[in-house]
Amino acid sequence: EIQLVESGGDLVQPGRSLRLSCAASGVMFSSYAMSWVRQAPGKGPEWVSSISESGHVTYYADSVTGRFTISRDNSKDKLYLQINNLRADDTAIYYCSTLIGSSWGPGTVVAVSS
Amino acid sequence: EIVLTQSPGTLSLSPGERVTLSCRASQSVNSRHLAWYQQKFGQAPRLVMSGAFSRATGVPDRFSGSGSGTDFTLTISRLEPEDSAVYYCQQYGIPPYTFGLGTRVEIK
Repeated sequence: EIQLVESGGDLVQPGRSLRLSCAASGVMFSSYAMSWVRQAPGKGPEWVSSISESGHVTYYADSVTGRFTISRDNSKDKLYLQINNLRADDTAIYYCSTLIGSSWGPGTVVAVSS
Repeated sequence: EIVLTQSPGTLSLSPGERVTLSCRASQSVNSRHLAWYQQKFGQAPRLVMSGAFSRATGVPDRFSGSGSGTDFTLTISRLEPEDSAVYYCQQYGIPPYTFGLGTRVEIK
């Protein structure tokens, strides 16, 4: 089973950027399509983005298209989420998960406030 | 975008009772691409069912999934206290891979 740990969350001002990372271990990371899912305080999970095993195919939620970029480095067993032009409504716990959701990290907190 | 509507919003039942959770999609979903998650307070979601019918590793057999097309159901045959949580359905067949808003299951 794959183990996942996110990092990179922070308290940032609106308009700034962040790069979230997700380190994978346990099994062959390159065999898994991966996703980022976020959860705002008191709300349900919201799918953000997914990436294919090779990294060649990516999908985004409409709410983040143009501001978020998902990528992966299979040589380092890492998944990334570049977040630009942060807004208050991006405040959430950000989880990385396998596409089917069998494995999740504990999450990293992004808080956007001036 | 496929909208998933879960009902009811909240259930309050006694241990041992049967629980039926509904997830209705705004358009047809391949059952292979329908998942159910359990989330307890302060924890990441935990996969309960994938492919609509397949229990995830470690999930007790009192959990079962059914459905096809636009109507899917998660059933807990005999409710246990540790089943108290919010349950979400998600479709991962057609992006955006949407979640439902969840059903909260409370134990009386």
